[in-house]
Amino acid sequence: AQTVTQSQPEMSVQEAETVTLSCTYDTSESDYYLFWYKQPPSRQMILVIRQEAYKQQNATENRFSVNFQKAAKSFSLKISDSQLGDAAMYFCAYRATQGGSEKLVFGKGTKLTVNP
Amino acid sequence: KAGVTQTPRYLIKTRGQQVTLSCSPISGHRSVSWYQQTPGQGLQFLFEYFSETQRNKGNFPGRFSGRQFSNSRSEMNVSTLELGDSALYLCASSLAPTGGYPEAFFGQGTRLTVV
Repeated sequence: AQTVTQSQPEMSVQEAETVTLSCTYDTSESDYYLFWYKQPPSRQMILVIRQEAYKQQNATENRFSVNFQKAAKSFSLKISDSQLGDAAMYFCAYRATQGGSEKLVFGKGTKLTVNP
Repeated sequence: KAGVTQTPRYLIKTRGQQVTLSCSPISGHRSVSWYQQTPGQGLQFLFEYFSETQRNKGNFPGRFSGRQFSNSRSEMNVSTLELGDSALYLCASSLAPTGGYPEAFFGQGTRLTVV
């Protein structure tokens, strides 16, 4: 069974600085999707970024970028120029491509605090 | 385009009662998945529906059930509620088959409290 591990329960960063959240996963599949979701206090899970395992190029979305290391099964999220609105729980998630399922496997999350 | 809508937002129920939660996916999305979120267990997959058929099921007791209607709207039901069922229940919709769009979009959740 696939597992996702986020080893940092909490992280903090100063406004305008850069922070990196870690995620590792375990799978025997060769093709899959990885996601980072953000959950602010409003509770709604918001997609931050996605990565297809077959793509070697790391995904970027504005201030958010990932460092995808397939062999190491590592998928970290870098937030540049951190803003107060970035404060939230961040979840790393895995989705298989085979089997036709949309099921997501989540890590336990990292609570990010942004200090002014 | 409207997002994923979950109703109700909050529920308080008594042990032993049953509850039904509703989820309306994004227009055009045919897959609906449900997750339970608790502080102790995190986000756990409950089940997934596509074209009115349950395609996948998580490791939850039979008291948890669901269904999907022809318009893709989905409901989940929990019977004989226990205190441990208190949680945030999240619904996610996605454009299935994937077709290059594997993202799942979430509703705001239903906060269920069992007393």
